[in-house]
Amino acid sequence: DQQVKQNSPSLSVQEGRISILNCDYTNSMFDYFLWYKKYPAEGPTFLISISSIKDKNEDGRFTVFLNKSAKHLSLHIVPSQPGDSAVYFCAASVSSGYALNFGKGTSLLVTP
Amino acid sequence: NAGVMQNPRHLVRRRGQEARLRCSPMKGHSHVYWYRQLPEEGLKFMVYLQKENIIDESGMPKERFSAEFPKEGPSILRIQQVVRGDSAAYFCASSPATGGYEQYFGPGTRLTVT
Repeated sequence: DQQVKQNSPSLSVQEGRISILNCDYTNSMFDYFLWYKKYPAEGPTFLISISSIKDKNEDGRFTVFLNKSAKHLSLHIVPSQPGDSAVYFCAASVSSGYALNFGKGTSLLVTP
Repeated sequence: NAGVMQNPRHLVRRRGQEARLRCSPMKGHSHVYWYRQLPEEGLKFMVYLQKENIIDESGMPKERFSAEFPKEGPSILRIQQVVRGDSAAYFCASSPATGGYEQYFGPGTRLTVT
């Protein structure tokens, strides 16, 4: 069963605008969440993470928001750049554990 | 500081052959994880190892798949008697500790079974 869901397979955004990627999870035991970026034929690259004790974490152009009651998190990229075009994976785990549970990914295209 | 290394990057095997995938973790990392990505899917956890120990192999298929992380050398994911359904990208990740730490991924090995 898919415990982490990314319901938008793709997203297209103009350069300079905000990109918002969404992720939902079903397992209430998850308390550590991560976003990874992946280019074709490469491995996932860690972007940003958030623990359930926070509702927001920011790193440069990337901000992750966590809504525990809704079991929902989102990644905001501001401003979006063409180099941000990639597949973005949401992942979740139990902080006392180790296995990351991944969504199927959202393909982001940032157009000039 | 070299990242996670995986080799080979591409591997072609005929049905019934064996596939060996290697992973060297980042320097200072003693925790290794293997994931598999099927086409159009997310990554699925397979196994978690520390040096000379398999901690959790709950994501590994029951037959034909095995993993090891010896005291010296890389971690190895071994698939015996490969079938077409084993065709996938296999990613290795490492972390300095476990529980609440991000995992750093290698470039993956793309296995094609003909």
